[in-house]
Amino acid sequence: KAGVTQTPRYLIKTRGQQVTLSCSPISGHRSVSWYQQTPGQGLQFLFEYFSETQRNKGNFPGRFSGRQFSNSRSEMNVSTLELGDSALYLCASSFTRNPPGAYGYTFGSGTRLTVV
Amino acid sequence: QQPVQSPQAVILREGEDAVINCSSSKALYSVHWYRQKHGEAPVFLMILLKGGEQKGHDKISASFNEKKQQSSLYLTASQLSYSGTYFCGTAETAGSNYKLTFGKGTLLTVNP
Repeated sequence: KAGVTQTPRYLIKTRGQQVTLSCSPISGHRSVSWYQQTPGQGLQFLFEYFSETQRNKGNFPGRFSGRQFSNSRSEMNVSTLELGDSALYLCASSFTRNPPGAYGYTFGSGTRLTVV
Repeated sequence: QQPVQSPQAVILREGEDAVINCSSSKALYSVHWYRQKHGEAPVFLMILLKGGEQKGHDKISASFNEKKQQSSLYLTASQLSYSGTYFCGTAETAGSNYKLTFGKGTLLTVNP
């Protein structure tokens, strides 16, 4: 069965621009979480969606937003890009509707965003 | 609250054992373990629910001490393929907390 698909794989943007990243979860998975990965900070939680509802949000500025569609595909948007937004953005899907208890996450390969 | 992992890095020779620890200051109901190889996505290894159970497959196992909010990952008779960064992820019991919080990772290098 197909894994978690993230597009695009690589992006180069200029400061001040905005960007939209896409994530298609494993078929049947309705929970999608987004993480920012940087060498110094590890995996930082951005937000989690289930059935088109954002259930939790991490400590990121309002420039970071997301949404989920009825087919469980999710997008995240970063507006007014800053140099510090350069990172690997990972999405992960999970089967359960419950808090992350019984099922593991399947991660996509990520989108590498570089802001210049 | 980000869990704390230790050690930050460990270097082994093939066949040696290693233990990676993960601790939280919050009450937990589950701990996840993932391995990420360079340039790849993190891969799920196992999940432990509160109750102190120990899980494992092949030569990798883990335990979860619910009272101490600590988990340990045990790698025995390490293989070259075990190299990578290991992350623990914790889910807290408080409220409707739909997120998994990851530690900063432990870089494991297995040499021949």
